[in-house]
Parts: sequence; C-alpha cells; structure tokens
Amino acid sequence: DARVTQTPRHKVTEMGQEVTMRCQPILGHNTVFWYRQTMMQGLELLAYFRNRAPLDDSGMPKDRFSAEMPDATLATLKIQPSEPRDSAVYFCASGPGQGIETQYFGPGTRLLVL
Amino acid sequence: DAKTTQPPSMDCAEGRAANLPCNHSTISGNEYVYWYRQIHSQGPQYIIHGLKNNETNEMASLIITEDRKSSTLILPHATLRDTAVYYCIVSSLENDMRFGAGTRLTVKP
Repeated sequence: DARVTQTPRHKVTEMGQEVTMRCQPILGHNTVFWYRQTMMQGLELLAYFRNRAPLDDSGMPKDRFSAEMPDATLATLKIQPSEPRDSAVYFCASGPGQGIETQYFGPGTRLLVL
Repeated sequence: DAKTTQPPSMDCAEGRAANLPCNHSTISGNEYVYWYRQIHSQGPQYIIHGLKNNETNEMASLIITEDRKSSTLILPHATLRDTAVYYCIVSSLENDMRFGAGTRLTVKP
C-alpha cells in the first residue's frame, strides 16, 4: 500500500531555530506539493515541484522558507529562522504528474514554535 | 479565495445516505470538480472527481448538474468513520487546488 511518508511527525522548537521537514513521495510520482494548515487560514499551498524542479512557490514566505528535492525520493521544507506564527501542520502530497490529477497526502508534520 | 461554497456543517444518521452539496457557479469549461475529505488529525484523502458526467467509485458518487454550477457528493451508506471535513474544489491545474473551509459531516449512531 503505497503512501507518502513525512518526518518528523511532531516538532517542538524555539523561535529562531532551524526546522527541516522531510517527505518521501510515492514511488513513481513526479509531482510533490507542500501545504500548510492552520485553524485561521485553512489549507494553503506553499510550493509545488514536478520532476524535482520547483514550478510554483508563490505561496511560500521567501525570506525564511525554502523547499528542495535533492532526489526523486526526498523533498524537504526548511524554515530558518522559525517564528511562532509558523506553528501549523505541514502536509506533503505527491501525484503521478500527468496533468490534472489526484494528490495523495502524507500524515503531516505538526510544528510548534515557542 | 476558494471558488466553491459549501455548508459549514451537516449531520447524517449512520446507514443513511449523506448528500453533500457544493456550489461552483463560476466554474470554467476546463475545470474539474474534486472532492477530498480530512478525518481529524490526518492528511486530506482523495474521494472522487469529475468534469461533466456523473461519476461513481467504491467510496462515493458525484452528481454534477447539467449547467455544472453545482454538484453533490453522495456517500450511499454513511458510517461513523465517514465523520470528517469534506472539501469541494474546482481546478484545472494541479497546483491550483484551493481548499476552502469545507463541510464538517458528523455521522451519528
């Protein structure tokens, strides 16, 4: 049963610290999405990759957030420095990349910045 | 801004059909209607999608009106495990899946 995996599942850190979240997309999927979910804003798209190339990161605060795909099996989302307002659940999703498609979501990383 | 309007909450009796409405009056000709759901503390889960025709899969049925301005997701025999927030999304681009507030469906025994 192929699934998107995310690590860590929970992270508590202090303001100013670097946070790295990792995602392993479903094998064979070539599109990867990063979302952030908060009570106030709901689910927001942060970044989108196809074939490891970033296609859209307009939803991401550029000064502190960065997203990369070092290889086809790993996507990372980094926050440096982290701030309390970054506290949220961060979801990674992957898709087969054949145009309009369904997305398969991971379990999320619950981040709390103190 | 989400392109869809959904009721904030609905209740359904266990074993009965749950009919979740969605209005998308500004839908474009090349935009699909997608339904996802999110069970508490989990990532969203794909349910079904369609363009013009009604669709059915093992999870649900999707009924799209002829003018495509609204749709209804039908869970034919709701169970307690179907309690979740259901999101209706219209999109033609894989990176333009805008999740609104959704409908919180509560299935009651």
